[in-house]
Amino acid sequence: KAGVTQTPRYLIKTRGQQVTLSCSPISGHRSVSWYQQTPGQGLQFLFEYFSETQRNKGNFPGRFSGRQFSNSRSEMNVSTLELGDSALYLCASSLGSGTNNYGYTFGSGTRLTVV
Amino acid sequence: AQSVAQPEDQVNVAEGNPLTVKCTYSVSGNPYLFWYVQYPNRGLQFLLKYITGDNLVKGSYGFEAEFNKSQTSFHLKKPSALVSDSALYFCAVRLIKAAGNKLTFGGGTRVLVKP
Repeated sequence: KAGVTQTPRYLIKTRGQQVTLSCSPISGHRSVSWYQQTPGQGLQFLFEYFSETQRNKGNFPGRFSGRQFSNSRSEMNVSTLELGDSALYLCASSLGSGTNNYGYTFGSGTRLTVV
Repeated sequence: AQSVAQPEDQVNVAEGNPLTVKCTYSVSGNPYLFWYVQYPNRGLQFLLKYITGDNLVKGSYGFEAEFNKSQTSFHLKKPSALVSDSALYFCAVRLIKAAGNKLTFGGGTRVLVKP
């Protein structure tokens, strides 16, 4: 079966702009989690969506938002981009959410560069 | 709050020698524990996980890890390292009873296997 698809793979944006990243999970998976990876802060949890509802949120400013569609595809949006938003954004696909879920498949990520 | 520590930023080992990557964790409850590997400009690839049962977990590519509850550790090991094992390794934890899928990652350990 197809893996986790993140698009685009690379993005270059200017400070102040906004950006939308997409994640298509494995077919049948209903949970999508997003992570930001930077050299300084490592891997940090942004948010999780399960069955179109935000289930968890990390400690990021309100400029970071997301949503999930009925087909489980998820998008994350970053508004008013700052240089510090330059990072690799990873999404993880899971069948379920919570106690009985311990399977995570990561996409290859979107590399965002803010100039 | 939960946290993961990977005390070594980098581990150097000669090809054919044993490889150990250290991980300790702190959670208020019983954990799921994971190891992932990341190659340049790629997402995270799953290596192994501890869910319950036998403390010694065997995973992909000859890797194994031992769950030690008293020392709150989950060190990754490989008996004979290959040059192709050179990559960035992440340990992650999640509470079994967490209401969601949030993973907390360690800072990562870069492994360099020299021929």
